[in-house]
Amino acid sequence: NAGVTQTPKFRVLKTGQSMTLLCAQDMNHEYMYWYRQDPGMGLRLIHYSVGEGTTAKGEVPDGYNVSRLKKQNFLLGLESAAPSQTSVYFCASSYSTWQGTHEQFFGPGTRLTVL
Amino acid sequence: AQKITQTQPGMFVQEKEAVTLDCTYDTSDPSYGLFWYKQPSSGEMIFLIYQGSYDQQNATEGRYSLNFQKARKSANLVISASQLGDSAMYFCALYNTDKLIFGTGTRLQVFP
Repeated sequence: NAGVTQTPKFRVLKTGQSMTLLCAQDMNHEYMYWYRQDPGMGLRLIHYSVGEGTTAKGEVPDGYNVSRLKKQNFLLGLESAAPSQTSVYFCASSYSTWQGTHEQFFGPGTRLTVL
Repeated sequence: AQKITQTQPGMFVQEKEAVTLDCTYDTSDPSYGLFWYKQPSSGEMIFLIYQGSYDQQNATEGRYSLNFQKARKSANLVISASQLGDSAMYFCALYNTDKLIFGTGTRLQVFP
């Protein structure tokens, strides 16, 4: 099993460009999450999904959109990148609430720089 | 509002000694979970230990134990017999209503 994978691993954008980050999991998890990690800030939740076709806003959703068309994939989009979105982005997945301890399995991260 | 606080930006410990990393939380929901994750310099997030709010006993996983004091709303991580490979960032996180809220982390450095 690959677990949680993220594509790409690194990306440099210019202000105003758009891009999509792909997260894939092969553990049949219901829940999926996108976080950003900035120095000294810990991880902050951007958006999350509790099932295929559903999404919800997290702590810092502005400037991002997400889609969960397939259970195994969770896409994070930046429509018009800004330097403030320079960060490391982590995707995570977990079983649903009733299935256990809700341990989140994390991908390796995507380092995004916006110039 | 839910909140998680780690007040120690950095900690030092000598190899083979025990160390406690502090974590306090705030939630009004009676059902919640507390997690600790380790993030080495390579960047990946590694799950260490979990404690449910209704668990009667403190969680243990090998050299890791969670000192859960519900009335004080604290969930401190204890690492026994520290190893050089324990040097990393450690994050405490509160799970509630389908979401994890992370603290700002504690950087642990283990020296010989």
